Amino acid sequence: AQSVTQPDARVTVSEGASLQLRCKYSSSGTPYLFWYVQYPRQGLQLLLKYYSGDPVVQGVNGFEAEFSKSNSSFHLRKASVHWSDSAVYFCVLSDAPRFGAGTKLSVKP
Amino acid sequence: DPKIIQKPKYLVAVTGSEKILICEQYLGHNAMYWYRQSAKKPLEFMFSYSYQKLMDNQTASSRFQPQSSKKNHLDLQITALKPDDSATYFCASSQERLGNYEQYFGPGTRLTVL
Repeated sequence: AQSVTQPDARVTVSEGASLQLRCKYSSSGTPYLFWYVQYPRQGLQLLLKYYSGDPVVQGVNGFEAEFSKSNSSFHLRKASVHWSDSAVYFCVLSDAPRFGAGTKLSVKP
Repeated sequence: DPKIIQKPKYLVAVTGSEKILICEQYLGHNAMYWYRQSAKKPLEFMFSYSYQKLMDNQTASSRFQPQSSKKNHLDLQITALKPDDSATYFCASSQERLGNYEQYFGPGTRLTVL
């Protein structure tokens, strides 16, 4: 069955610290994977997407993600977070489509 | 200009009533979707349409009926409303239904059922 798992419901980091949000997927074929962000009281916006090629993909606002077929993962990273990055982040598998449960990121000043 | 319009932004309904949530997209996309988000459940996929045909239906209840009168419209009719239906309903669209096509989301309709 196709599925996406985000094991961390909440993550808190200090401003300026590095960040990794985890995503594990299950897919029978070649997955198309996305990360979306939802700021408070808004709809979702695309951060980045992966479907082939270089396993490290760059997104907006300094975010990047690394695809690993061997680990069935698509983790999101940022070298230095800002308070404005506080939001809910969703990992998405294109089939159906399938959304992860989301990770709520809180950035402490 | 907003590319995906959802109307109304806020909606209050009484238990047992019927409401229609409106969604229009002006991106020229062929696929449209409905999602639900509540405090109890994270973002929940409900339906996908491609070329005005239902492709996926993850909603168990027949009280939720999508309606596509035009290519760029996908309304959501909800009958016999219950308090548990209280949630924010998001409409989205993409160029095609599957693959590497980005979904664009509307601002949502926040439904409260009393």
